[in-house]
Amino acid sequence: AQTVTQSQPEMSVQEAETVTLSCTYDTSESDYYLFWYKQPPSRQMILVIRQEAYKQQNATENRFSVNFQKAAKSFSLKISDSQLGDAAMYFCALTANTGNQFYFGTGTSLTVIP
Amino acid sequence: DVKVTQSSRYLVKRTGEKVFLECVQDMDHENMFWYRQDPGLGLRLIYFSYDVKMKEKGDIPEGYSVSREKKERFSLILESASTNQTSMYLCASRPANYYGYTFGSGTRLTVV
Repeated sequence: AQTVTQSQPEMSVQEAETVTLSCTYDTSESDYYLFWYKQPPSRQMILVIRQEAYKQQNATENRFSVNFQKAAKSFSLKISDSQLGDAAMYFCALTANTGNQFYFGTGTSLTVIP
Repeated sequence: DVKVTQSSRYLVKRTGEKVFLECVQDMDHENMFWYRQDPGLGLRLIYFSYDVKMKEKGDIPEGYSVSREKKERFSLILESASTNQTSMYLCASRPANYYGYTFGSGTRLTVV
């Protein structure tokens, strides 16, 4: 079984500052993928960043980067130079290479303070 | 860009009604999914389909059924709507060889 845990229901950050959202997971699979999705008030889930478990290098997409600690089963998202448009619900997700299903955390609501 | 379109953004139905939620994707994706999103529970998988006329149960299939007669369309059916099915319903799709979803904008269903 796979589980994803996000222990921070809410976070806030000042505009232009950096914030880190936490995610831990559990899986018995050796080959899997981890994701961060953003859901703004418009409700459209948008892929923020994707990490293949076999890659040691942390994924980066512009202001978004991850800290992937495979042994600790930790997958945190760092948002640098936060912008008002970053305000949203963020979901961490996991899928194994052997299956179709994604497993989602319960989400972290991020507020960006002007 | 891949588009996943859900036919209704908001829906209000009465208890006992049969409800159809429609999802259409335009990029020939093999896999399609229906999730339910509730506060504090995240997203939970109801059903998915990896091919036309094929379906698999997810974690919470009770009270729901699905139909996939054409590759681009995946329908979620509430056979007899109940108030505990009031929720946000999200459709997603992905191709067979890529592990990343494209989501629709969601349907917020209220059962009264």
